[in-house]
Amino acid sequence: KQEVTQIPAALSVPEGENLVLNCSFTDSAIYNLQWFRQDPGKGLTSLLLIQSSQREQTSGRLNASLDKSSGRSTLYIAASQPGDSATYLCAAPGDSSYKLIFGSGTRLLVRP
Amino acid sequence: GAGVSQSPSNKVTEKGKDVELRCDPISGHTALYWYRQSLGQGLEFLIYFQGNSAPDKSGLPSDRFSAERTGGSVSTLTIQRTQQEDSAVYLCASSHGSPLSKNIQYFGAGTRLSVL
Repeated sequence: KQEVTQIPAALSVPEGENLVLNCSFTDSAIYNLQWFRQDPGKGLTSLLLIQSSQREQTSGRLNASLDKSSGRSTLYIAASQPGDSATYLCAAPGDSSYKLIFGSGTRLLVRP
Repeated sequence: GAGVSQSPSNKVTEKGKDVELRCDPISGHTALYWYRQSLGQGLEFLIYFQGNSAPDKSGLPSDRFSAERTGGSVSTLTIQRTQQEDSAVYLCASSHGSPLSKNIQYFGAGTRLSVL
């Protein structure tokens, strides 16, 4: 049974810092892994989707990596900005490719 | 439409009443999903539709919960005899049905349900 864990649960950094969010999963036989952003009171915004055949995926200041053998993914945010403040969730397919299993999220605060 | 649309955005109801939550997926998406986000529980899968059929209802928490999808588009999640523990944000997502390995799920803003 797939389980997804995210650490840290919360993170506070000054503006401009580079930071790494961690996601681990127990079942490495995954098709892909997805990173989402959630602003307070809002739905989820898909940030990056990494296919199982990929090791990295980049979008602007965001870079996500995937290491299936170790059951880990990281989300790297370069030159953080106050607008990056949100909860970041990773999700991996469960016992079927369509059923996403979510981590509990990392709540990020970027201080001006 | 441009994205997944859910209505209402907020719903306050009394314990014991029935509620209906609506989801309009992205046009052309054949797959539709419902998730629930509760305090202390995180995000949990409820049900998945492919077209109008629901091959996986395993996440529905009780028989008070049901969902349907008509015309391969709009879906309604119905909760009967609501209980306080049903209070949560109900999120809907849609995706292209295939290929499954590239199955990006696009989420709506959710319906925040409060049962008093």
